[in-house]
Amino acid sequence: QKEVEQNSGPLSVPEGAIASLNCTYSDRGSQSFFWYRQYSGKSPELIMFIYSNGDKEDGRFTAQLNKASQYVSLLIRDSQPSDSATYLCAVVSGGSYIPTFGRGTSLIVHP
Amino acid sequence: GAVVSQHPSRVICKSGTSVKIECRSLDFQATTMFWYRQFPKKSLMLMATSNEGSKATYEQGVEKDKFLINHASLTLSTLTVTSAHPEDSSFYICSAASDASHYEQYFGPGTRLTVT
Repeated sequence: QKEVEQNSGPLSVPEGAIASLNCTYSDRGSQSFFWYRQYSGKSPELIMFIYSNGDKEDGRFTAQLNKASQYVSLLIRDSQPSDSATYLCAVVSGGSYIPTFGRGTSLIVHP
Repeated sequence: GAVVSQHPSRVICKSGTSVKIECRSLDFQATTMFWYRQFPKKSLMLMATSNEGSKATYEQGVEKDKFLINHASLTLSTLTVTSAHPEDSSFYICSAASDASHYEQYFGPGTRLTVT
């Protein structure tokens, strides 16, 4: 059973701070890792994907992958109230194209 | 990112009727399309996966005769909820992915179904 674990939160950070969202996964054969943002009442939106160990930066977002520890994280710098949403981690294993989603972490950025 | 459209965005139907939801990938060819259902404040639940020209693969507990999925082309998939009942009221979301990339999924905006 492939599992993707996320702390449900809410994670509350002040505006301007760094928000750190974490995700662990059980399948060592996992190869592709995705972060989605979902606003309340809306569908998920892809914001980052990462395939190799290390960091990947895109604007205020940085995804970090550590395959040895089976851990992927998302850092949001200079957090804004508009970043308040649920962040979903998704993992695709080698040989499959069907992702396993975590339950999501609720982020609240307060002014 | 790639664009996926979904129609209708909202639909209200009477119990016992059928509803068809369309999902289109507008700027790429979707090898695979996924259909999800999400109840309020709950996680995404994968209902089925479909590949163009093949029968859909349904997740355990999802009735294939009730939720008919057709993936006739690389840009269009449809979900038909047959003989809808109030408990089918939910947010239905499709997503599309391509084997030309790493199968990152692009989601449609969702369809909110209310069965009265």
